[in-house]
Amino acid sequence: GQNIDQPTEMTATEGAIVQINCTYQTSGFNGLFWYQQHAGEAPTFLSYNVLDGLEEKGRFSSFLSRSKGYSYLLLKELQMKDSASYLCAVRDQNGANNLFFGTGTRLTVIP
Amino acid sequence: EAGVAQSPRYKIIEKRQSVAFWCNPISGHATLYWYQQILGQGPKLLIQFQNNGVVDDSQLPKDRFSAERLKGVDSTLKIQPAKLEDSAVYLCASSLAPQAGELFFGEGSRLTVL
Repeated sequence: GQNIDQPTEMTATEGAIVQINCTYQTSGFNGLFWYQQHAGEAPTFLSYNVLDGLEEKGRFSSFLSRSKGYSYLLLKELQMKDSASYLCAVRDQNGANNLFFGTGTRLTVIP
Repeated sequence: EAGVAQSPRYKIIEKRQSVAFWCNPISGHATLYWYQQILGQGPKLLIQFQNNGVVDDSQLPKDRFSAERLKGVDSTLKIQPAKLEDSAVYLCASSLAPQAGELFFGEGSRLTVL
């Protein structure tokens, strides 16, 4: 099975940096994804890590440590539009390569 | 490129009634998924199709839920009879292949069961 944990809610200030952590346990790890989901909308892809290390994409970076079962999403220069839920998802090759999602972290950016 | 299309966007029914949701994936995407997302939770996988075959339906409540993808393109998810706890957003997603690449999601079908 899969077990994915991330904080339920976070608040950060506009212009600041925020780090959203995700820990996971899975039998057949085959990649970790981060998705952004605004209220009432579909999840949209942010990043993908399959090897250890940092992947940077503009204001967003994602880090993975497979040995620790740990990832984080780093958002820099926060903007009000970054207020959304951030979903950590793990691909499990022992689970038909399906994506299994955590409960999501609701980020609120305040002025 | 057109995205994943879903309909209807909203549906309100009474318990014990039936409902069907339709999904048309991105053209050329062989893999199609149905997820259930209850308010405040992450998406929960219901079923995965590869072309017109079921790859994984282990988390589909088969006593009331059914899904098909007869021609390997669009798909229908049915609930019969609906229960109060089925109130959720039903998300359809597609990808080129199950082992590679990200999932692209549709806007979802929001179901309210009264």
